[in-house]
Amino acid sequence: NAGVTQTPKFQVLKTGQSMTLQCAQDMNHNSMYWYRQDPGMGLRLIYYSASEGTTDKGEVPNGYNVSRLNKREFSLRLESAAPSQTSVYFCASSEGPSGYYEQYFGPGTRLTVT
Amino acid sequence: DAKTTQPNSMESNEEEPVHLPCNHSTISGTDYIHWYRQLPSQGPEYVIHGLTSNVNNRMASLAIAEDRKSSTLILHRATLRDAAVYYCILRGDMRFGAGTRLTVKP
Repeated sequence: NAGVTQTPKFQVLKTGQSMTLQCAQDMNHNSMYWYRQDPGMGLRLIYYSASEGTTDKGEVPNGYNVSRLNKREFSLRLESAAPSQTSVYFCASSEGPSGYYEQYFGPGTRLTVT
Repeated sequence: DAKTTQPNSMESNEEEPVHLPCNHSTISGTDYIHWYRQLPSQGPEYVIHGLTSNVNNRMASLAIAEDRKSSTLILHRATLRDAAVYYCILRGDMRFGAGTRLTVKP
């Protein structure tokens, strides 16, 4: 049981390049989330998917798109990377979208945009 | 939106209890209070959560004020492995603040 997995672990992009961060969970969870964490800061919610087939914006969605490919997978796409998107990206999942369920986090993707 | 306020940092001695406070004065009646912690270079991990009553699990205890405007995470005997950033969040809000950085001294 791997929990939440993220690929890649590290990535360096040049300004304007695009890339997709992949996330998968094997816990049969309904809800999935993408956060970013800047140095010395807390996590900020980018997008979330309360259930398969739905996605909603979080606190900082600009510059990102998401796809809930199926129940297991939730990807985050940067269409034209900017230095301000240098951050650590965490994916998380939970059994349901309500406030009762705890979230399980992946190990993170460290992204640098030069 | 409801938000939480935590001290930036706290220190504790190993094997002593630690009380980590959190204020959430604008909490709504349906907001669950969750605590997570983040060890260095790792993703956050769930610690405990509650709604109104105090809660205990193998990791910690959560004491919730009667008016629900504040809560306290209690680590009964801190170990060096408990050194981390602790986040108090309201799950209806899904916002992580800067958290409290706990340092545990041997």
